[in-house]
Amino acid sequence: EPEVTQTPSHQVTQMGQEVILRCVPISNHLYFYWYRQILGQKVEFLVSFYNNEISEKSEIFDDQFSVERPDGSNFTLKIRSTKLEDSAMYFCASSEVLDRVWNQPQHFGDGTRLSIL
Amino acid sequence: AQKITQTQPGMFVQEKEAVTLDCTYDTSDPSYGLFWYKQPSSGEMIFLIYQGSYDQQNATEGRYSLNFQKARKSANLVISASQLGDSAMYFCAMREGRGSSNTGKLIFGQGTTLQVKP
Repeated sequence: EPEVTQTPSHQVTQMGQEVILRCVPISNHLYFYWYRQILGQKVEFLVSFYNNEISEKSEIFDDQFSVERPDGSNFTLKIRSTKLEDSAMYFCASSEVLDRVWNQPQHFGDGTRLSIL
Repeated sequence: AQKITQTQPGMFVQEKEAVTLDCTYDTSDPSYGLFWYKQPSSGEMIFLIYQGSYDQQNATEGRYSLNFQKARKSANLVISASQLGDSAMYFCAMREGRGSSNTGKLIFGQGTTLQVKP
């Protein structure tokens, strides 16, 4: 079964450094998402991406964050200058583009655990 | 206001018994989907089951079923014949149909930790 893949599985970075998290969505999916989960808390939406542009972003997704689809398969999340509070699990997800988007499940990658020191 | 509420932070169930995990939601959108995800201790998010707002029948998927009560705005997950491998965090989530972007982001509840006892 096709799956969303994320790399790396764990990233340790010094505060203030840039970090890039990588995702390969399922090949026929065209909606892409990033979520984050601070340890022990609920999953929070960061940003959605469709047709090569951001379609929606949350308050968390400030100027320190950016997303890109550099080629036909990868989808990346960049944090420009990491802060301690950026430590979390980051999930990439994708879903199909169908008329009724609201009843399509999103398929998640296994996540990248980001630790900021 | 919380859009998805899971009131049970933790639940215990005996192996082979059934368990119900509660989820209530809040939306004014007539088109929406409700989803349940399982998160084992290893951290990945596994899609289990979904219910569309226009679906007449409750969704079922193997040992998982969704008790959908639209008037009460509840979408409880029922796991029958619990197994030790069911021990995990379970998240209820909603995807709305309208909105400025209509990208249908998932809105998650706080989650319920389920422990299955042998």
